Amino acid sequence: EVQLVESGGGLVQPGGSLRLSCVASGFTFGSYWMSWVRQAPGKGLEWVANTKQDGSEKSYVDSVKGRCTISRDNAKNSLFLQMNSLRAEDTAVYYCARVNGHAFDFWGQGTMVIVSS
Amino acid sequence: EIVLTQSPGTLSLSPGDRATLSCRASQSVSSSYLAWYQQKPGQAPRLLIYGASSRATGIPDRFSGSGSGTDFTLTISRLEPEDFAVYYCQQYGSSPITFGQGTRLDIK
Repeated sequence: EVQLVESGGGLVQPGGSLRLSCVASGFTFGSYWMSWVRQAPGKGLEWVANTKQDGSEKSYVDSVKGRCTISRDNAKNSLFLQMNSLRAEDTAVYYCARVNGHAFDFWGQGTMVIVSS
Repeated sequence: EIVLTQSPGTLSLSPGDRATLSCRASQSVSSSYLAWYQQKPGQAPRLLIYGASSRATGIPDRFSGSGSGTDFTLTISRLEPEDFAVYYCQQYGSSPITFGQGTRLDIK
């Protein structure tokens, strides 16, 4: 059974940092692109970042470029999102999602990030 | 950036009705790169349709997708009580990946 379990969310002050983690199981993690997708409270879905199977390619939505870094450790079946210079508008549930073909076929349950003083 | 506009914003129907949800793109999207998701309150999204018309594993055949170019449709042939949720379309054809704003399907 495919499982994605996120952690690392929490309350952080504006300008602060957080590192989100996602541990995968039930599939060959290193064979898939992986993504982070977020959802602000009461709002729609927003793709945040992607990474290729070996981590050699990464892409980001403009609003997080220069502030966030996606990375992965295939030996530990783990995906990460380092978030710096956090802003109030980064407040959201952050989902880890597996990319299969051109869609997100499995999602974790999400981890909540709240940026507030 | 490709903007996806979903309509209607809210659709109020009864169990047994047919639901037709629209997703219009600001530029042409390859059919291979258009997906639909269902999200229920407090849950993660679930992939329903990929490649515009292929059902994901385990998705009932009352869900179907169609369309090409800039106009795509998700149809639910006969609504079941568990189908009342928010539905999103998404394109992966060009960066950034974008989602529509969602259609809320409510029980009438």
